[in-house]
Amino acid sequence: DQQVKQNSPSLSVQEGRISILNCDYTNSMFDYFLWYKKYPAEGPTFLISISSIKDKNEDGRFTVFLNKSAKHLSLHIVPSQPGDSAVYFCAARGDNAGNMLTFGGGTRLMVKP
Amino acid sequence: DGGITQSPKYLFRKEGQNVTLSCEQNLNHDAMYWYRQDPGQGLRLIYYSQIVNDFQKGDIAEGYSVSREKKESFPLTVTSAQKNPTAFYLCASSINGAGYGYTFGSGTRLTVV
Repeated sequence: DQQVKQNSPSLSVQEGRISILNCDYTNSMFDYFLWYKKYPAEGPTFLISISSIKDKNEDGRFTVFLNKSAKHLSLHIVPSQPGDSAVYFCAARGDNAGNMLTFGGGTRLMVKP
Repeated sequence: DGGITQSPKYLFRKEGQNVTLSCEQNLNHDAMYWYRQDPGQGLRLIYYSQIVNDFQKGDIAEGYSVSREKKESFPLTVTSAQKNPTAFYLCASSINGAGYGYTFGSGTRLTVV
């Protein structure tokens, strides 16, 4: 059973517009959420994170929103740039031993010039 | 500079052969992980290790083996028992108990010929 789901496998937006990537989770014990960005043939790189005690975290063009009651988080990219074209993974950390992350299936974002 | 290094970047294997993928980190991280990514798919956990000389199976451990004799190193062997080994393999490391997520290597593309 997938505990972290990204239901949109792909998303296409115009340069300069907002990109919204969504992620749903089922485990209410998750206490920390992260977004990773991945280019082809490279490892994922950390983008932004949010603790479960917050509902918003902003870093430049990137903002992550967390709705705990809905078990939903979203990543907003404003304005979108062609260099943002990549696969985005959301990940969640529970209160289990160590620092294990559970990853969603990824969303491929394509930003058109 | 601290980081995590995977080698080789590309690897070709004949059917029936075992092959070992290298993963080395100088971040002094306690935990290390191996993931597999197939085209259009998310990250699936193969094995993880939270401490030297100890490791645990992930979701898709069949046909793979690992060792963790040193804190810095976590090699993955893809054995002939792995039926579909062609994939992109990612190694990651993290600090145990911290909420900072993983640092990923740049990946190894394994192709069976």
